[in-house]
Amino acid sequence: IAGITQAPTSQILAAGRRMTLRCTQDMRHNAMYWYRQDLGLGLRLIHYSNTAGTTGKGEVPDGYSVSRANTDDFPLTLASAVPSQTSVYFCASSDLAGAINEQFFGPGTRLTVL
Amino acid sequence: GQNIDQPTEMTATEGAIVQINCTYQTSGFNGLFWYQQHAGEAPTFLSYNVLDGLEEKGRFSSFLSRSKGYSYLLLKELQMKDSASYLCAVMDSNYQLIWGAGTKLIIKP
Repeated sequence: IAGITQAPTSQILAAGRRMTLRCTQDMRHNAMYWYRQDLGLGLRLIHYSNTAGTTGKGEVPDGYSVSRANTDDFPLTLASAVPSQTSVYFCASSDLAGAINEQFFGPGTRLTVL
Repeated sequence: GQNIDQPTEMTATEGAIVQINCTYQTSGFNGLFWYQQHAGEAPTFLSYNVLDGLEEKGRFSSFLSRSKGYSYLLLKELQMKDSASYLCAVMDSNYQLIWGAGTKLIIKP
């Protein structure tokens, strides 16, 4: 693995179903983030984690949950998917102790909820 | 509230120069980032400014004026591969990134 991986690449999901988007990084970054990107809108932060064992809510957390059991993995769960959660989801990570603290992004998951 | 403004779309000619502007109002400031995002791909880091002035990196330069809440990304010697969206983001007082909606840059031959 090099960088950040996300799975699945894309998914079509029936409304009401539960879905977990996976994210794994191998850069030993302490911070990880989940964003959604919708046409005409900027990236919006869903949840974040500054270190393993801690999580926080971003701008649009409703309907989503996360966990951070270890440094490398940061899964995002939709408990009961709704059509408004149709979006492209990006996972990112950063080194909070770094000089610049730039975020590195995974390739994204394209989710369609019908 | 927090707000990042940048033009929705710009068009430029191959070989020319283009300037993409970004204005911001945020709660606190811990740096301004520019990312490039090609269609269907993830954003990739281009530049970072935390002090006023110009940062140059090859064909790309980024400028910051903190007093004016203003930045621009300057792309020189445009190439067709520069066709992409350019995202402006500000790191706020909580060290979270606030993102603009992005500027779609179209390069014509």
